[in-house]
Amino acid sequence: ETGVTQSPTHLIKTRGQQVTLRCSSQSGHNTVSWYQQALGQGPQFIFQYYREEENGRGNFPPRFSGLQFPNYSSELNVNALELDDSALYLCASSLGGRQETQYFGPGTRLLVL
Amino acid sequence: GQQLNQSPQSMFIQEGEDVSMNCTSSSIFNTWLWYKQDPGEGPVLLIALYKAGELTSNGRLTAQFGITRKDSFLNISASIPSDVGIYFCAGRLTDSNYQLIWGAGTKLIIKP
Repeated sequence: ETGVTQSPTHLIKTRGQQVTLRCSSQSGHNTVSWYQQALGQGPQFIFQYYREEENGRGNFPPRFSGLQFPNYSSELNVNALELDDSALYLCASSLGGRQETQYFGPGTRLLVL
Repeated sequence: GQQLNQSPQSMFIQEGEDVSMNCTSSSIFNTWLWYKQDPGEGPVLLIALYKAGELTSNGRLTAQFGITRKDSFLNISASIPSDVGIYFCAGRLTDSNYQLIWGAGTKLIIKP
C-alpha cells in the first residue's frame, strides 16, 4: 500500500507566475483535500475533491483551483502568485469526505519571490 | 473567521515529564482531533473525540473533549525524545459538514 505522495518537494516562483502542485492519493482513497500551511501556523483548508468534483472550499480566492483525475490523483493550481502564497502545501487523501480519516502527504514547500 | 486558540505556543520539558496542552474556542465544536507533525512531514492523527466529556487514550497520550464543547486537552505522560514535534488541535464546527478549523500548534522541545 503506497502512501500519499506530492511533487515537487520544493519550488521557487516569482510574483505573478502560475504554479501547479501534484498529489497522488493513497491506494483505495477517492477523496483529496488541499491545505495551505504558513510558517508557524496550522493548516488552512483550501478545497476538497471527491470523485473528480469539488466537494467544498475554504476561504481562498478563485485563483486557487484544482482538479482530480479518474485515478483520484489531484492537482492544485495557483495563478497570479503573491508573496503571501509562500507556504507548505499539503494534500491529504481519504475514503469518503470525513477529514479525520485522511492521511497527509509530506507537502510541497513553495517560495514566492 | 473561526479560530482555535492553542496553548502553550511552545514547551521545553525534561525527558520523563508529563505534558499538557489545550485548545479553546468561542464556538461550539462537534469533533476535536489532535495531530502531530514532524519536520518535513504532514500531520498524523493521534486521537479523535466525538462527544462532550469523552476521554480517550492512545498509549501515553490522553485527550479530552471539554464539557462545554468549546475546548479540548491533550496530555502526554512520561515524555520521551520521539515526542518532540508540533502538536495541532483541529475541530469541526457543529454547523459544518466536513471542514476542520486548526490551531496554530504547540511545539514540544525536550531539554537535553
